[in-house]
Amino acid sequence: EAQVTQNPRYLITVTGKKLTVTCSQNMNHEYMSWYRQDPGLGLRQIYYSMNVEVTDKGDVPEGYKVSRKEKRNFPLILESPSPNQTSLYFCASSPVVGTVRWVYEQYFGPGTRLTVT
Amino acid sequence: DAKTTQPTSMDCAEGRAANLPCNHSTISGNEYVYWYRQIHSQGPQYIIHGLKNNETNEMASLIITEDRKSSTLILPHATLRDTAVYYCIVRVEGGSEKLVFGKGTKLTVNP
Repeated sequence: EAQVTQNPRYLITVTGKKLTVTCSQNMNHEYMSWYRQDPGLGLRQIYYSMNVEVTDKGDVPEGYKVSRKEKRNFPLILESPSPNQTSLYFCASSPVVGTVRWVYEQYFGPGTRLTVT
Repeated sequence: DAKTTQPTSMDCAEGRAANLPCNHSTISGNEYVYWYRQIHSQGPQYIIHGLKNNETNEMASLIITEDRKSSTLILPHATLRDTAVYYCIVRVEGGSEKLVFGKGTKLTVNP
């Protein structure tokens, strides 16, 4: 089954304890992205990657790191989590098509609910 | 990307067509209309997109007015599982890859 998986789905942690949220897709998509969703603020992009070893900042990258060593995986790293990173996180992937390298529809994972105390 | 305006909420009876409107009066010629939905706290789900012609797929139909200033997403036979927040987004081809969701329309399908 074509899907985007995230782990863990739920995580409660303490301030400053490094954590990694994994994201994997089995659709051979070039594009992958991380979003966070907060009440009243909608969906905001953290980082994205157009291909292996190519990553770029989104709108809210501070406090996050990513890597894209292989096409299928795009982990999100919080080196020193803080309470303001408590949020619902979504990973997404998409094929990249056309000469303008357009990102078509995005496929989202089930989400990771992170609480930092 | 152009701004969109959607009603905050709508109700629909199960089995009936759900028609969700979206205004995008400042849309430019190279901007596409996309629809996504999000069932409570699940990952957003792509539904359909179009430029100027009406589009239909297995999930829904998209009707875009001739002047492209508004569109309507049609779920032909709504079920309880279609209860979700529906987001209308306009995006430039080859433009920003990020999705910017507004507040969307909360559709409640009633039995």
